Amino acid sequence: GAVVSQHPSRVICKSGTSVKIECRSLDFQATTMFWYRQFPKQSLMLMATSNEGSKATYEQGVEKDKFLINHASLTLSTLTVTSAHPEDSSFYICSASRGVGYEQYFGPGTRLTVT
Amino acid sequence: TQLLEQSPQFLSIQEGENLTVYCNSSSVFSSLQWYRQEPGEGPVLLVTVVTGGEVKKLKRLTFQFGDARKDSSLHITAAQPGDTGLYLCAGFNAGNNRKLIWGLGTSLAVNP
Repeated sequence: GAVVSQHPSRVICKSGTSVKIECRSLDFQATTMFWYRQFPKQSLMLMATSNEGSKATYEQGVEKDKFLINHASLTLSTLTVTSAHPEDSSFYICSASRGVGYEQYFGPGTRLTVT
Repeated sequence: TQLLEQSPQFLSIQEGENLTVYCNSSSVFSSLQWYRQEPGEGPVLLVTVVTGGEVKKLKRLTFQFGDARKDSSLHITAAQPGDTGLYLCAGFNAGNNRKLIWGLGTSLAVNP
């Protein structure tokens, strides 16, 4: 199977600071990457879809200026939470896919806590 | 509007019992996937079903895709404490494979 990593696995930051989360596909080229947010014991909520080399497509209600997504290569996508606030505390999960409609392989997630 | 209705949302059973989780929709799905997720980790794909009426087995887990490709079920036989976790169904809507549509998840606890 395909392997997707995320870094960091846990991060604690102060309110007002920015945090960058990396998502890497380790053994395949990911044309498309997805960023999800998940609250405890709930399902995944898609935040945005990014295609390598182009701007991310954000879901309704997700602020693009707050959640900056970059997908500069076929193996790396980053999510930057800018000016983080306590309500941004959550579990963020990325997935990678060879393209639209293909299987998604999930990273292990990043637990963000904003104090 | 939730396109994929997953039930039950929570389930607590004793070791050795059987259980079934359902995913239902009024829409047709070109494929449907089942995932299992443990706390603090990402979802792990268990199975993908693509053909109406398809049945797939994974040890004690049996997955079924409805004939009309609008519903699916996951049946676990003789549940073990190691089966504890969040089970998620997700699928690609027929005609729109841009993003996965997710069920709300079933949180399963199997007590020894």
